[in-house]
Amino acid sequence: EIVLTQSPGTLSLSPGERATLSCRASQSVSSISLAWYQQKPGQAPRLLIYGASSRATGIPDRFSGSGSETDFTLTISRLEPEDFAVYYCQQYGSSPLFTFGPGTKVDIK
Amino acid sequence: EVQLVESGGGLVQPGGSLRLSCAASGFTFNTYRMSWVRQAPGKGLEWVSYISSSSSTLHYADSVKGRFTISRDNAKNSLYLHMNSLRAEDTAVFHCARVNYVSGSYHFDYWGQGTLVTVSS
Repeated sequence: EIVLTQSPGTLSLSPGERATLSCRASQSVSSISLAWYQQKPGQAPRLLIYGASSRATGIPDRFSGSGSETDFTLTISRLEPEDFAVYYCQQYGSSPLFTFGPGTKVDIK
Repeated sequence: EVQLVESGGGLVQPGGSLRLSCAASGFTFNTYRMSWVRQAPGKGLEWVSYISSSSSTLHYADSVKGRFTISRDNAKNSLYLHMNSLRAEDTAVFHCARVNYVSGSYHFDYWGQGTLVTVSS
């Protein structure tokens, strides 16, 4: 079973700063299988990135994804007020079929 | 506009049963795989179950295997989750999510707002 670990648990930044979120897999995974989601309080998650680096429809280009094998990164180039939220990585595999990381909270410093 | 609207949540006693529904609109439901994902209060996301477009392939998380059953009615554009032998640890908001497949990538591109299931005596 592949386990996803996200770091840091909480990232305290100011609007305009760059955010770098990490997602590490317990074993090598295909980059095609890695996605990122944003969730705000009381809302459903929103797909940001799929295939490790492809932006979903309507996602601003300040969001970018990268990485391979066991190390993946979500970067927000310049934080906007609406970007303060919890971010989850997710992997598609064999068993379990889908796995989520524990999340990284990006809050206002 | 793609819409997923869940219903059927509520308070149920431990050992009880519940059936969740998800009404889909705005897309060709019978061509998409679907899943249920849950989120316990204050916790992260946990994938629960998956169903292929034709219902021929079903998958479950180990935590619900043997207790939960996923199904769909393509004529009614609806997804279901039948939950039996409910436990306190099943307390969560249950989201239905559309599974999209793009160039080998499976991911959840649309989500419903969720329905809250509370298991308590």
